[in-house]
Amino acid sequence: EVQLVESGGGLVQPGRSLKLSCVASGFTFNNYWMTWIRQAPGKGLEWVASITNTGGSTYYPDSVKGRFTISRDNAKSTLYLQMNSLRSEDTATYYCTRGRAAYWGQGTLVTVSS
Amino acid sequence: DIQMTQSPSLLSASVGDRVTINCKASQNINKYLNWYQQKLGEAPKLLIYNTNNLQTGIPSRFSGSGSGTDYTLTISSLQPEDFGTYFCFQHNSWPDTFGAGTKLELK
Repeated sequence: EVQLVESGGGLVQPGRSLKLSCVASGFTFNNYWMTWIRQAPGKGLEWVASITNTGGSTYYPDSVKGRFTISRDNAKSTLYLQMNSLRSEDTATYYCTRGRAAYWGQGTLVTVSS
Repeated sequence: DIQMTQSPSLLSASVGDRVTINCKASQNINKYLNWYQQKLGEAPKLLIYNTNNLQTGIPSRFSGSGSGTDYTLTISSLQPEDFGTYFCFQHNSWPDTFGAGTKLELK
């Protein structure tokens, strides 16, 4: 069974940094692209970042490009999202997903507020 | 960026009804269109991938169709557990984008 477990969310002040983790199990992690998707409270879904199975290429929308960095450790079956220069509009539940959003974790809430 | 226009935004229906939800892309997305169901407080769940492929474990009353810019999710006979919010998602070209969602509620 595919399992994705996110952690690292919490309350952070604007301008500060936070790093999310996602531990994967139930599949061969290094065979799959991975993606972060977020959902602001009561709002729709927004793609945040994707990474190829080797980690050799990464992709971001303009809204986070230059501030967020997706990475992975295939030996640990773990996906990361380093978020810098956080803004109030980054407040959301962040979901780790396999591939282009096939399987989803339960999400971790990030709140950016002073 | 490809815009995904989803309709209707709110749909009231009864158990046993046949319902359809539509997504229109601002350009051709070559059938790279997924559908998700989300219930309150839960993560979205993949129902249909690449227009018409049923995800493992999803009941056959769900189906998808479409091509080019126009896509449809159909639920052939609505069940009580089907109420929630549905999203479409294109992954043909970066940035991947979602529709705004359709809330399916009990009439």
